[in-house]
Amino acid sequence: GQQVMQIPQYQHVQEGEDFTTYCNSSTTLSNIQWYKQRPGGHPVFLIQLVKSGEVKKQKRLTFQFGEAKKNSSLHITATQTTDVGTYFCWSGNTGKLIFGQGTTLQVKP
Amino acid sequence: SQTIHQWPATLVQPVGSPLSLECTVEGTSNPNLYWYRQAAGRGLQLLFYSVGIGQISSEVPQNLSASRPQDRQFILSSKKLLLSDSGFYLCAWSVSPGAETQYFGPGTRLLVL
Repeated sequence: GQQVMQIPQYQHVQEGEDFTTYCNSSTTLSNIQWYKQRPGGHPVFLIQLVKSGEVKKQKRLTFQFGEAKKNSSLHITATQTTDVGTYFCWSGNTGKLIFGQGTTLQVKP
Repeated sequence: SQTIHQWPATLVQPVGSPLSLECTVEGTSNPNLYWYRQAAGRGLQLLFYSVGIGQISSEVPQNLSASRPQDRQFILSSKKLLLSDSGFYLCAWSVSPGAETQYFGPGTRLLVL
């Protein structure tokens, strides 16, 4: 069945370093969403990408949707301690609701 | 504006006891509703989703069940809890099931002892 694989599972960075998480699918995705879950909290919607090759930015966060619409990435420039949490990608492709397993980011001050 | 409520916030239950978790949404009509479970340090596992009253789709066979007795009410139940049922249970809603943003409730932390 359709799977959305997210890598890496964990990432520890020094504050100020960059961070990237990747979401990969074996099938074409109609859209992809990214969510952030702070420790102890619930997932919160960040952004949705729909178009092939789409790039969106939110301050230090850059989201990309691959040309083939099979992968996506979230890049954080110059991480801060407030970036700590787990980042999930999600696809509602063809009625199946698939979350990636998430990438947990730890930032050392 | 729309809000989503879950209760209780935390719950400690003995193995074999029943379970009832409630989720309600305010400020919208005919939402799509979801139950997810998240084991400690793990990803989100979709358990059930509902597109309307009395309509429940189960994603993972287990000893849990869901019901939607009212448009904006979603209930997760179990007749006999297992140790493996421990986790963080999240309810979410969206406008449509395929491509819309999901809005999550605060969650219920369940510990089965």
